[in-house]
Amino acid sequence: KAGVTQTPRYLIKTRGQQVTLSCSPISGHRSVSWYQQTPGQGLQFLFEYFSETQRNKGNFPGRFSGRQFSNSRSEMNVSTLELGDSALYLCASSPDDKDEQYFGPGTRLTVT
Amino acid sequence: DQQVKQNSPSLSVQEGRISILNCDYTNSMFDYFLWYKKYPAEGPTFLISISSIKDKNEDGRFTVFLNKSAKHLSLHIVPSQPGDSAVYFCAALRGSNYKLTFGKGTLLTVNP
Repeated sequence: KAGVTQTPRYLIKTRGQQVTLSCSPISGHRSVSWYQQTPGQGLQFLFEYFSETQRNKGNFPGRFSGRQFSNSRSEMNVSTLELGDSALYLCASSPDDKDEQYFGPGTRLTVT
Repeated sequence: DQQVKQNSPSLSVQEGRISILNCDYTNSMFDYFLWYKKYPAEGPTFLISISSIKDKNEDGRFTVFLNKSAKHLSLHIVPSQPGDSAVYFCAALRGSNYKLTFGKGTLLTVNP
């Protein structure tokens, strides 16, 4: 079974721009979660989608948004990028079991 | 306010000895705890979990202990192997919520 894939793997953007990151979950998994990893804050939960509905949301500003498509693929969007948004963005998929959250390799976003 | 804390940023042990990684939490509503391992340039990989109704869970070389009264859990790796060298994250869940709350991680180095 193919694992969780994230595209692109690396991205460089300028302050004020917007960015869209993509996540393809493991086949059959309906839950997709997004996390931000930074050296200072560690791994922080952004949001979780299940069957195209946002089920949980973390404490991030409205500039961070996401969506999930009918095939369970998910995208997250960050608008008006700030330098502090530079981070590794991780996606995790689950068949709807707390134990089984499988992470992708992440997208490394650098904002200059 | 960090609800899951890993107070040791790093730990170094000799191959064959025991590695003990510690984690403290403040939110008494957490009822499920997980340990993840992360290599550079990869997403976290699930290792072992424990429900709050248990105080110990074992899986091969890995054992997780939970002390609810102290709000403390620990991961024991016996015997430690050089391939165990990675960052270990403690994470917690509340109820049926899929939002993982992570600690900041502990870098384990196992020396041959």
